[in-house]
Amino acid sequence: QKEVEQNSGPLSVPEGAIASLNCTYSDRVSQSFFWYRQYSGKSPELIMSIYSNGDKEDGRFTAQLNKASQYVSLLIRDSQPSDSATYLCAVTNYGGSQGNLIFGKGTKLSVKP
Amino acid sequence: ETGVTQTPRHLVMGMTNKKSLKCEQHLGHNAMYWYKQSAKKPLELMFVYSLEERVENNSVPSRFSPECPNSSHLFLHLHTLQPEDSALYLCASSQRTGQILINPEAFFGQGTRLTVV
Repeated sequence: QKEVEQNSGPLSVPEGAIASLNCTYSDRVSQSFFWYRQYSGKSPELIMSIYSNGDKEDGRFTAQLNKASQYVSLLIRDSQPSDSATYLCAVTNYGGSQGNLIFGKGTKLSVKP
Repeated sequence: ETGVTQTPRHLVMGMTNKKSLKCEQHLGHNAMYWYKQSAKKPLELMFVYSLEERVENNSVPSRFSPECPNSSHLFLHLHTLQPEDSALYLCASSQRTGQILINPEAFFGQGTRLTVV
């Protein structure tokens, strides 16, 4: 059973702090990794993708990937109350012509003013 | 405002009812998806349509029946559902490129909140 694990939270951080969201996955052949943000009552929105080991930065967001440890994380610097949402980790294996996109249950982040 | 519109936004149905969920995308994409999001469960892919052909059925019970009449519209026909089918049903669309069937950069609709009583 291919799984993606996330701490459901809620993760509470003060405004201006760094929020660290973690994700582990079980399928060693996973190739691509994604973070989605989902506000309450809204649809998921892709915010970051990462394909190779190391860090990838985009504005206040940094995705970190360690394939040897089967671990991917999302750091949010200078957290704002508007960052309060559920963050979904997803992984995919593009083996063959299909592959699949496997989601974690999500981590709820709350940024306190 | 997304380019993927789902109707209705909320639906309450009895176990003997038949209803349909509708999805329309205005993005010119060639692939459409149905996902199910239950409380405390991961988002699950149900069906994938590429160029109006169903190319993936993720072991979904037959009481869920998808239909894709053209590249802009996707339906999910529901009949004799169970209370455990209550969930948020999300439609998404993307542009299929090459061999990659399930594009993570899909745009999601706002979803239909389904309650089966």
